[in-house]
Amino acid sequence: DQQVKQNSPSLSVQEGRISILNCDYTNSMFDYFLWYKKYPAEGPTFLISISSIKDKNEDGRFTVFLNKSAKHLSLHIVPSQPGDSAVYFCAANPQGAQKLVFGQGTRLTINP
Amino acid sequence: ETGVTQSPTHLIKTRGQQVTLRCSSQSGHNTVSWYQQALGQGPQFIFQYYREEENGRGNFPPRFSGLQFPNYSSELNVNALELDDSALYLCASGESYTGELFFGEGSRLTVL
Repeated sequence: DQQVKQNSPSLSVQEGRISILNCDYTNSMFDYFLWYKKYPAEGPTFLISISSIKDKNEDGRFTVFLNKSAKHLSLHIVPSQPGDSAVYFCAANPQGAQKLVFGQGTRLTINP
Repeated sequence: ETGVTQSPTHLIKTRGQQVTLRCSSQSGHNTVSWYQQALGQGPQFIFQYYREEENGRGNFPPRFSGLQFPNYSSELNVNALELDDSALYLCASGESYTGELFFGEGSRLTVL
């Protein structure tokens, strides 16, 4: 039972353009949604989060959008930079419990 | 630097053996969680400890057990290893209601 899904295993984007990573979820009880970024041989690092009561959160080049009716969220990175090449995980936090439910990840490659 | 360190970074065991993985959490964080990340998948929640007591468990059998110590260190023990236990094991700590966690680099376990 995959409660959080990232249907695109990989995404390739040209440097300077917008990267859009997508995530779908099934559980309406999730309080917060988060994006983590992972480089090889490193642990995931927190990128940005959004509360279930909001529909947008922005932090510099990163913006997360939440569509509760569609149970869908997306991460926009603009402009994309080579250092953004990594695996991105969408995660959901049920009721503040810190017991994160992760998607399968999307490998983002930024081409120069 | 996240302040979460794990050891060992890599290890190889044979089926049926037992393994202990160690983690040193970020100072001040009373909550530590362990995740299993199989190849090509997102991290999966194993269990969480809060002030030295188990505070929630994911869909993992009892042969996965843990300990948390007062000095912000913790252990993950796996008995009767199976081939499918081969994965990256991640330790994470955090105190944020939103679910922002600080992850270690992980211990990569290979079971032969």
